[in-house]
Amino acid sequence: DAKTTQPNSMESNEEEPVHLPCNHSTISGTDYIHWYRQLPSQGPEYVIHGLTSNVNNRMASLAIAEDRKSSTLILHRATLRDAAVYYCILRDVSGANNLFFGTGTRLTVIP
Amino acid sequence: DTGVSQNPRHKITKRGQNVTFRCDPISEHNRLYWYRQTLGQGPEFLTYFQNEAQLEKSRLLSDRFSAERPKGSFSTLEIQRTEQGDSAMYLCASSYRTGGTDTQYFGPGTRLTVL
Repeated sequence: DAKTTQPNSMESNEEEPVHLPCNHSTISGTDYIHWYRQLPSQGPEYVIHGLTSNVNNRMASLAIAEDRKSSTLILHRATLRDAAVYYCILRDVSGANNLFFGTGTRLTVIP
Repeated sequence: DTGVSQNPRHKITKRGQNVTFRCDPISEHNRLYWYRQTLGQGPEFLTYFQNEAQLEKSRLLSDRFSAERPKGSFSTLEIQRTEQGDSAMYLCASSYRTGGTDTQYFGPGTRLTVL
């Protein structure tokens, strides 16, 4: 699977939107973009995924660049509970079955 | 619908001892994964099962590690002759995949400390 690049850390004020970027310049046409997050002392948790079009669910929105070389996870209104490490992961539907996590972005939410 | 459960949540053992962890996936999930996570790092893939068949192993899974998933339900991960370097969080995940992509649901993990 192609690799992703994320900032090591970001901060956000509570109740403000958060935009978490991810670069994946070597993405292939069959790579899905997945986001997981890991709250302190818990296992990772699925957030959202997409292929080409922007996606929305109850947790977040995923904005995918037109050339698919980057994406942004959007938390519309950060809460203290959103403080976590966020991982951007590419999954080729015909390739590896495991998730390659990398080191992710540690999001700090300031009250 | 209950999530993925793992037991024990914590295990402290002495170097050289054997340990076994259990994972109970979400019912009817055909895939089960094991990952290992050390402090400050993201989880690293160890192995996965499709039903009862172990289809892939990472090079991280040394000969001291063995995993089973009898009858395609729960899974166990055993580490023989533990070493201090085995200290980590061991995570289990399950998913249902028939084609395309899938979503993995993770358990809370088993934290292993080898003294």
